Amino acid sequence: EVQLVESGGGLVQPGGSLRLSCAASGFTFSASWMSWVRRAPGKGLEGVANIKQDGSEMYYVDSVKGRFTISRDNAKNSLYLQMDSLRAEDTAVYYCARAADRSVDYWGQGTQVTVSS
Amino acid sequence: DVVMTQSPLSLPVTLGQPASISCRSSQSLVYSNGNTYLNWFQQRPGQSPRRLIYKVSNRDSGVPDRFSGSGSGTDFTLKISRVEAEDVGIYYCMQGTYWPWTFGQGTKVEV
Repeated sequence: EVQLVESGGGLVQPGGSLRLSCAASGFTFSASWMSWVRRAPGKGLEGVANIKQDGSEMYYVDSVKGRFTISRDNAKNSLYLQMDSLRAEDTAVYYCARAADRSVDYWGQGTQVTVSS
Repeated sequence: DVVMTQSPLSLPVTLGQPASISCRSSQSLVYSNGNTYLNWFQQRPGQSPRRLIYKVSNRDSGVPDRFSGSGSGTDFTLKISRVEAEDVGIYYCMQGTYWPWTFGQGTKVEV
């Protein structure tokens, strides 16, 4: 059974940093593209970042470029999202997801990130 | 970025009756390999999103056959042949043809 378990969310002040983690199991993590997707309050879903199987390619939505960094550790079956210079508009539930064939087929339960003073 | 526009945004339904959601993209979703990467997701209250349909019309494993997807180019539709109580939630279309992948605003289905 595919499982994706996020952690690391919380309350942070504007300009602060957080690092989200995602522990993956039930599939060959090192063979899978991975994604972070978020849902802001009262808004729809937004793809935030993707990373290739070996970490050699990363893609970001424009609104987070230069502030967020997606990474992975295939030895630990783990995905990360380093979020710096956080803004109020980054407040959202962040989902770790497995990407396959230009889609997202499995999602974690999500972790809440709140940026507020 | 490709804009995905769903309609309606709110869909009152009657149990046992059909329902339909439209999704339009600001440009064709046909990829260079000929595939069209249009997906549909369901998010029930308090749950994570769940993929229902991929590449326009392919149902995911375990998805009831009352759900079907159709369309081409820029116009797509998700149909529920007979709505059941467990179908309540928000439905999103998503395109994976271009980065960044973009989602529709969501359609809230309620009884």
